[in-house]
Amino acid sequence: SQTIHQWPATLVQPVGSPLSLECTVEGTSNPNLYWYRQAAGRGLQLLFYSVGIGQISSEVPQNLSASRPQDRQFILSSKKLLLSDSGFYLCAWSGPGRPNNEQFFGPGTRLTVL
Amino acid sequence: AQSVTQLGSHVSVSEGALVLLRCNYSSSVPPYLFWYVQYPNQGLQLLLKYTTGATLVKGINGFEAEFKKSETSFHLTKPSAHMSDAAEYFCAVSYSGYSTLTFGKGTMLLVSP
Repeated sequence: SQTIHQWPATLVQPVGSPLSLECTVEGTSNPNLYWYRQAAGRGLQLLFYSVGIGQISSEVPQNLSASRPQDRQFILSSKKLLLSDSGFYLCAWSGPGRPNNEQFFGPGTRLTVL
Repeated sequence: AQSVTQLGSHVSVSEGALVLLRCNYSSSVPPYLFWYVQYPNQGLQLLLKYTTGATLVKGINGFEAEFKKSETSFHLTKPSAHMSDAAEYFCAVSYSGYSTLTFGKGTMLLVSP
């Protein structure tokens, strides 16, 4: 069966510090991978998605970036965090070749920027 | 552009009462429709989905939803609410050839004893 992991679970960082959140998927190959953010009262916002190694699509211009160094690894980064980067970050995957895009979510990372 | 509207950011019901969460989508092509549930500080969990075939879809925890093409709706229902149903619910839509889901803003379900 497939599983998705995110770490860390919680993170408190000062403004201006760097960020690296990691997501890995097990039990599948060539998945589509997604990063979402939930800020208070703002619903679910798609940040990046990737359909293959090195292929990243950005949905929202911001100071965040994403990379996919391996097939089942997706990393969300920032060089300098802003207060507005606080939120709950969710990684998700969908199966290769699935036409309906059913997505499976990780447990999330709670980021607080102070 | 595809969009999803969830009517009501908060819905309150009493334990044992009917749960009805509304979802409407905009589309000119056949959609794939999903309902997800999120408990506090957790990821989203798939409740049910409609892709093709039967328009009444049954999911986990006693929930079901009906795809109504003429109304462009996919409302979520449960005959009798439990305290454990208190959570946030998200409706989402996708289409063949697309790589992403479009989510509604979510509805928080509150269940009182």
